[in-house]
Amino acid sequence: QVQLVQSEAEVKKPGASVKVSCTASGYIFTNYYIHWVRQAPGQGLEWMGWINPNTGNTIYAPSFQGRVTLTRDTSVNVAYMDLSSLRSDDTAVYFCARDLRAARHNYFDPWGQGTQVTVSS
Amino acid sequence: DIQMTQSPSSVSASVGDRVSITCRASQGIGSWLAWYQEKPGKAPKLLIYAASTLQRGVPSRFSGSGSGTDFTLTINGLQPADFATYYCQQANSSPLTFGGGTKVE
Repeated sequence: QVQLVQSEAEVKKPGASVKVSCTASGYIFTNYYIHWVRQAPGQGLEWMGWINPNTGNTIYAPSFQGRVTLTRDTSVNVAYMDLSSLRSDDTAVYFCARDLRAARHNYFDPWGQGTQVTVSS
Repeated sequence: DIQMTQSPSSVSASVGDRVSITCRASQGIGSWLAWYQEKPGKAPKLLIYAASTLQRGVPSRFSGSGSGTDFTLTINGLQPADFATYYCQQANSSPLTFGGGTKVE
């Protein structure tokens, strides 16, 4: 079955960077866009950007532009989200999600289990 | 950016009730809208996409309607498993944006 498995929780200091991985299985990795979404404690969902695993092309939400980098390794079917210059308000659960359709439709299904990132001095 | 406004922010309901949640987009998005269900500690689950298409495996008591700027998620005959938070999301243009959520309790 289609599955996305994310890396374990991270604790980082302000100013540091974090890299979260998302390992895909059960489908052809390069055929479906991967999106990243985060959720701060008690807050709603915030889209961060997408990556086309086939070409490596990316689009980022303006609020993350310059701090987030999405990459992928097609040899191991893994997508990565790198967030730099971390602040306390970056404390959140970070999700990867596959696009529903092979042609990008911007609907998210399935989702990874989420990775807790805590930023604290 | 397209702003998505959900209402109400919370609704109190009982098993068997019909519950309706609305979502308004700040500009027209055609039918490029999805609804998700989220439970504590779990990833969101896609319920409906393209405004009214039920995702595979989702019970038929869930339905979606609307186009343009106004959309509705309806749950007919609320079940215990349906107590959760629901989010709408516009898929029309980047940045993709979500509504603020509606907690069904």
